Amino acid sequence: DAGITQSPRYKITETGRQVTLMCHQTWSHSYMFWYRQDLGHGLRLIYYSAAADITDKGEVPDGYVVSRSKTENFPLTLESATRSQTSVYFCASSEQNTEAFFGQGTRLTVV
Amino acid sequence: DAKTTQPTSMDCAEGRAANLPCNHSTISGNEYVYWYRQIHSQGPQYIIHGLKNNETNEMASLIITEDRKSSTLILPHATLRDTAVYYCIVSNQGGKLIFGQGTELSVKP
Repeated sequence: DAGITQSPRYKITETGRQVTLMCHQTWSHSYMFWYRQDLGHGLRLIYYSAAADITDKGEVPDGYVVSRSKTENFPLTLESATRSQTSVYFCASSEQNTEAFFGQGTRLTVV
Repeated sequence: DAKTTQPTSMDCAEGRAANLPCNHSTISGNEYVYWYRQIHSQGPQYIIHGLKNNETNEMASLIITEDRKSSTLILPHATLRDTAVYYCIVSNQGGKLIFGQGTELSVKP
């Protein structure tokens, strides 16, 4: 099915664990983005990518790592999860200066 | 990216037009104005965007002032399902979107 898919939808992990959130899009969009949204707040940009093998920091990149070896995938890794990283994570994709399509989100709880 | 200023919240009667204002006085010539909305905890949904001219699609109209320092999103006949947080964003960086706090629109029966 065409679209943008995030997995898992829900994740509980322990402090200090490494966790990877997956994002897959089927449109071959050049741009992909990761955002986090804390309860009751707006979205904040973590990392973005303009093409395969090109990534750049957003507003809140500390504690996160991204890679983009294939155009359609943009995984986000928390190398050592902390409680402050408990949040809802949204992935998005777009072409330049066009609409962005967002996934349904991954709700991550760090205990 | 230019910053935007939006009212924190607005109410609108069902069936009436909802007019959501946005100030972006520091917008540069190649920056687009985007509008997105977020319903409950879903992923943001694109509504409309424009550069200079007014735009209309099946969801809404976007009115940009001649000096481009402000814009208005118009939902012509608001329904209860339009209750959401509406974000006005200006950007030219490959679609990189920096979200502000948005306007919480409540459509009331």
